[in-house]
Amino acid sequence: TQLLEQSPQFLSIQEGENLTVYCNSSSVFSSLQWYRQEPGEGPVLLVTVVTGGEVKKLKRLTFQFGDARKDSSLHITAAQPGDTGLYLCAGHPGSNYKLTFGKGTLLTVNP
Amino acid sequence: EAGVAQSPRYKIIEKRQSVAFWCNPISGHATLYWYQQILGQGPKLLIQFQNNGVVDDSQLPKDRFSAERLKGVDSTLKIQPAKLEDSAVYLCASSLDVLSRQSGTDTQYFGPGTRLTVL
Repeated sequence: TQLLEQSPQFLSIQEGENLTVYCNSSSVFSSLQWYRQEPGEGPVLLVTVVTGGEVKKLKRLTFQFGDARKDSSLHITAAQPGDTGLYLCAGHPGSNYKLTFGKGTLLTVNP
Repeated sequence: EAGVAQSPRYKIIEKRQSVAFWCNPISGHATLYWYQQILGQGPKLLIQFQNNGVVDDSQLPKDRFSAERLKGVDSTLKIQPAKLEDSAVYLCASSLDVLSRQSGTDTQYFGPGTRLTVL
């Protein structure tokens, strides 16, 4: 059973479009993180959300943590080819310090 | 600031052979992690070190996998003997301190990984 479910698994869009990817769980997380991983590289941390209902913005990326701290979303406005990559959510469930990853959403932005 | 270094970047071996991976974390980072990332999946934690001590190795297949961090800096991960299902990318990561980890807000910095193919 996957603790963090990410959807969609694959997403292919045209440059300039908007998109949202989701990270859901039945468990409460003390924090959730979003990473982007490019081919042949390790994941790179984009943001950490800690408080239920929290919204963080990073240029064209908007991250939201659900009120119950069980889910999160990533919205990208006006996607660019440089946004292409595997987007992973990860978190520490409850008091567990171990970082648990979802399977990721593979995003392709076509020029 | 130099990032996490890993070598080799790629390795192809036959099943039942042995293989070792090396990781050099960011200078000053006390915590070091080894993850296994199978194609189409997110990284799975294999082992976590705090300085040269093991914090968590609950998901490490100890009958064939071993890891060490003798001087609290570099680390090696070994597989002996390898199986087909060990084909994956092995990622090393490091983070600064215990306190940020306990609060759930630690930042892990990942290396580029070693892609292992077992034939």
